[in-house]
Amino acid sequence: ETVMTQSPATLSVSPGERATLSCRASQNINNNLAWYQQKPGQAPRLLIYGASTRAPGIPARFSGGGSGTDFTLTINSLQSEDFAVYYCQQYNNGPPWTFGPGTKADFK
Amino acid sequence: QVHLVESGGGLVKPLGSLRLSCAASGFTFSDFYMHWIRQAPGKGLEWISYISGSGTTISYADSVKGRFTISRDNANVYLQMNSLRVDDTAVYYCARAQWVEDHALDSWGQGTLVTVSS
Repeated sequence: ETVMTQSPATLSVSPGERATLSCRASQNINNNLAWYQQKPGQAPRLLIYGASTRAPGIPARFSGGGSGTDFTLTINSLQSEDFAVYYCQQYNNGPPWTFGPGTKADFK
Repeated sequence: QVHLVESGGGLVKPLGSLRLSCAASGFTFSDFYMHWIRQAPGKGLEWISYISGSGTTISYADSVKGRFTISRDNANVYLQMNSLRVDDTAVYYCARAQWVEDHALDSWGQGTLVTVSS
């Protein structure tokens, strides 16, 4: 099973700042990585797939990068609606299709 | 547009059973893999099962193998949950894989809460 780790667990940022979230896979997953955003009481929403492709309707301030085992999600100029928990998921080696533990983007 | 609606959650005693349903609309259902993912209270996401569009390919996480059964018909995907345990307590989501063999999950239902408690 491919284990996904995310760092940091909590990221304290101010509106307008840039946030960089990291995700690491325990083995090569090529670029088969997705990022999801989840707000309290809501289902997750797909932000990024293929490590770097934004899903339809996702603002350009969200960008993804990386391949192999190390990946990043960058949120430029954080907006108030971006405070949420972000999960990465690998879909290269599976099943099982594994998720990271999440990074919470919190108000500084 | 794509619409997924889960139902069937509730309170059940340990070792009991429950059947979850996910009603799908707005897309050609038989063309897509469907997944179940769960989230225990205050915890992260856990993939638990998927089924191919034809229903011929199925897989389960080790945590539910032998207890849960996924199935589908023309417009619904189901999760039959038997021998439920306290640690099965979670919100259960159904989700659609965006393409064949691409298991990024592009649409999710709102979830249904399953509580296992005596």
